[in-house]
Amino acid sequence: AQSVTQLGSHVSVSEGALVLLRCNYSSSVPPYLFWYVQYPNQGLQLLLKYTSAATLVKGINGFEAEFKKSETSFHLTKPSAHMSDAAEYFCAVSPTGNQFYFGTGTSLTVIP
Amino acid sequence: DAMVIQNPRYQVTQFGKPVTLSCSQTLNHNVMYWYQQKSSQAPKLLFHYYDKDFNNEADTPDNFQSRRPNTSFCFLDIRSPGLGDAAMYLCATSRAGSLGDTQYFGPGTRLTVL
Repeated sequence: AQSVTQLGSHVSVSEGALVLLRCNYSSSVPPYLFWYVQYPNQGLQLLLKYTSAATLVKGINGFEAEFKKSETSFHLTKPSAHMSDAAEYFCAVSPTGNQFYFGTGTSLTVIP
Repeated sequence: DAMVIQNPRYQVTQFGKPVTLSCSQTLNHNVMYWYQQKSSQAPKLLFHYYDKDFNNEADTPDNFQSRRPNTSFCFLDIRSPGLGDAAMYLCATSRAGSLGDTQYFGPGTRLTVL
């Protein structure tokens, strides 16, 4: 079975601090992993994706994620949080092209 | 800009009254998906179309149906909405449904059932 687990349903950071959102995956096949961001009352926007090329993936808005097979992790980071980063973040695994399994999401709050 | 469009953004219906949600895309993608997202939960795939081939998730209730009359449009029909069907409904597309393909999401339709 394919799944992702996002540790911490709510994360708060101060503006300018490091953002770390955790995602662990379970997959019986080499996974394709994604991070999406969702702003209130909007759809999901792709931040970045891992498709077995480089293990360190850079995305939009200064976010990046590192694929670590030994830890079955794909954590999302950003060196310095901005107020505009406040949103819901979803990790997803895609074992086949047409199936996406999303984690339960992490709500990021940025404190001024 | 190429995009995924959902209409309406907000829909209110009455318990048991059929409702149709609309999705269109200008990306010319082969695959279109419908997700249900309840408050503070992950999006849950209801079904998808690969071209005209319909693929239903095993646990999608029969109350939910879909139509794709052409490449650009896809509709979600809820035959008899219940209070538990109140949710955000997200439409997404992908180019070919291949491994690693990105899914592009519309802004969603928030459905309220009275």
